[in-house]
Amino acid sequence: GAGVSQSPSNKVTEKGKDVELRCDPISGHTALYWYRQSLGQGLEFLIYFQGNSAPDKSGLPSDRFSAERTGGSVSTLTIQRTQQEDSAVYLCASSWGLAGPSTDTQYFGPGTRLTVL
Amino acid sequence: AQSVSQHNHHVILSEAASLELGCNYSYGGTVNLFWYVQYPGQHLQLLLKYFSGDPLVKGIKGFEAEFIKSKFSFNLRKPSVQWSDTAEYFCAVSSYGGATNKLIFGTGTLLAVQP
Repeated sequence: GAGVSQSPSNKVTEKGKDVELRCDPISGHTALYWYRQSLGQGLEFLIYFQGNSAPDKSGLPSDRFSAERTGGSVSTLTIQRTQQEDSAVYLCASSWGLAGPSTDTQYFGPGTRLTVL
Repeated sequence: AQSVSQHNHHVILSEAASLELGCNYSYGGTVNLFWYVQYPGQHLQLLLKYFSGDPLVKGIKGFEAEFIKSKFSFNLRKPSVQWSDTAEYFCAVSSYGGATNKLIFGTGTLLAVQP
């Protein structure tokens, strides 16, 4: 079956502009995660959705970052007033959500490479 | 706060050499441990995981990892690497049942296997 997909694959934007990154999880997966990978850094957790529960937003670095998940499926990560330090690869992952984020196997998408000029 | 250290940032080996990638974590409670791998041009994928039981865990493609609680380590090993093992390897940890229930990743180790 289809894996996690993300769009766009690459995004170049100017400082101060808003961007939206999209994630389509694997069908049937109730849990969805966003991570950021900056150059030379590990994956940094941003936000976690599980079903209809309130999302865990504890990893969002500032109030310029937000995410939503519509209908329990597709998710959009929005970065407002982008800054150069936002340049990174943004990865989305999904899982069945049965065991929780600490034990579920996460299936990753290809990522969106964001470059802020 | 939890953290994961991968001390080897870049490893170069010849085919048939043995591999050991270090992973140390800082957390005093019960942990779940993972190794993820990203092959060139592919998505990040799970290599193996440890929750409990036998501390020696076997994963795909001949990889294994050993959980040593006293050393807070979960090193990845393979007796004989192949060119196709060229990839970036990430260690990750989560706390079982803890308040911090998310995966914390290390910075990754880039492995290059020379034919």
